[in-house]
Amino acid sequence: DSGVTQTPKHLITATGQRVTLRCSPRSGDLSVYWYQQSLDQGLQFLIQYYNGEERAKGNILERFSAQQFPDLHSELNLSSLELGDSALYFCASSGTSGYTGELFFGEGSRLTVL
Amino acid sequence: DQQVKQNSPSLSVQEGRISILNCDYTNSMFDYFLWYKKYPAEGPTFLISISSIKDKNEDGRFTVFLNKSAKHLSLHIVPSQPGDSAVYFCAAREYGNKLVFGAGTILRVKS
Repeated sequence: DSGVTQTPKHLITATGQRVTLRCSPRSGDLSVYWYQQSLDQGLQFLIQYYNGEERAKGNILERFSAQQFPDLHSELNLSSLELGDSALYFCASSGTSGYTGELFFGEGSRLTVL
Repeated sequence: DQQVKQNSPSLSVQEGRISILNCDYTNSMFDYFLWYKKYPAEGPTFLISISSIKDKNEDGRFTVFLNKSAKHLSLHIVPSQPGDSAVYFCAAREYGNKLVFGAGTILRVKS
């Protein structure tokens, strides 16, 4: 158990819809990262938050947005969903002492867009 | 543009033998390299890392080698065990702790 909690674990929805994925980081971790893993692909970095502020942005679509709340949990919002958005979405967290780059990952949220 | 590449999608090894997983990168600004292991229905878990200023790091059965001139790193698992069967991701750290991942290599250890 990494200590990172993601909900929901599975989500099936239709094209054009909007969903919200939720992540609670490990206790005390200030940084939250979102990654997308599509079929047979590596993990693609989407966005990073540190203590409520956006720190880095990757190849995140404009239809996607995220935020980190004062209690440090984070939400990833995916709107106008397309078939190609079907993927595993991972949240990870790290502490300020994570100097080696180690991230702690949740179990992921599997999104299926029909 | 893939900055981190794992060119072998899969690898099959006999139990007790050595497993060697390879990874190439293009960005010379990466300062840490990490290996993650992933079982089905679980998130990736950290395995071992190496700083860009070192060429070897060992942790039990796992050793990571870094060749900066070739922009290549490898993970050696000796001896391989059936429980090592998983997907292995190579990752490299950019600024702000952002990790860039390879596509992964499926390791199967046969008993």
